[in-house]
Amino acid sequence: GIQVEQSPPDLILQEGANSTLRCNFSDSVNNLQWFHQNPWGQLINLFYIPSGTKQNGRLSATTVATERYSLLYISSSQTTDSGVYFCAVPTNRDDKIIFGKGTRLHILP
Amino acid sequence: EAGVAQSPRYKIIEKRQSVAFWCNPISGHATLYWYQQILGQGPKLLIQFQNNGVVDDSQLPKDRFSAERLKGVDSTLKIQPAKLEDSAVYLCASSLVYPGTGGGYGYTFGSGTRLTVV
Repeated sequence: GIQVEQSPPDLILQEGANSTLRCNFSDSVNNLQWFHQNPWGQLINLFYIPSGTKQNGRLSATTVATERYSLLYISSSQTTDSGVYFCAVPTNRDDKIIFGKGTRLHILP
Repeated sequence: EAGVAQSPRYKIIEKRQSVAFWCNPISGHATLYWYQQILGQGPKLLIQFQNNGVVDDSQLPKDRFSAERLKGVDSTLKIQPAKLEDSAVYLCASSLVYPGTGGGYGYTFGSGTRLTVV
């Protein structure tokens, strides 16, 4: 089945810094989602981005479907950005999505 | 709109006991999913429902786990008997289905149930 790899696994930054998180996937997909899991465990959908670039405030995401990767950019990090960031892609068969192992982000005040 | 509701929020049980989790998806979402998230890992799909039918339960340990969605709305996930390795967060999610889009547009997760088996 399709494989999803995220990097880096862990990232520690000072408040105000910028960061780039990467998601590679092993097969072509027609959808990709980025999620943020906050320290209380809640998973929040950030972007639904099968291709191209989207921006929402300090966050933006770019998916290059032909090269099988997606990037999540966080600018001017805040402590509330801490948590785990997951990318998820659908299997080829149906609507279910599978997750990467995530990038754990710690923003220090 | 109301989100995906799950209960209980936390549960501690002894091994070999049974436990049940409940999920109420977003109104109008035909597809419902149960995921298991072990500490330090990404969520792993256990079962997917489309209305009240099972689409995929290939990763559900059927000797001890069962799930149902009788009226195509609420769902329950049961573990009987529980093992230590079942300690995890159990997440319910629901989504709309748009033919041809793939990937469960509008995926929304509940807050999860944190299960500890001692």
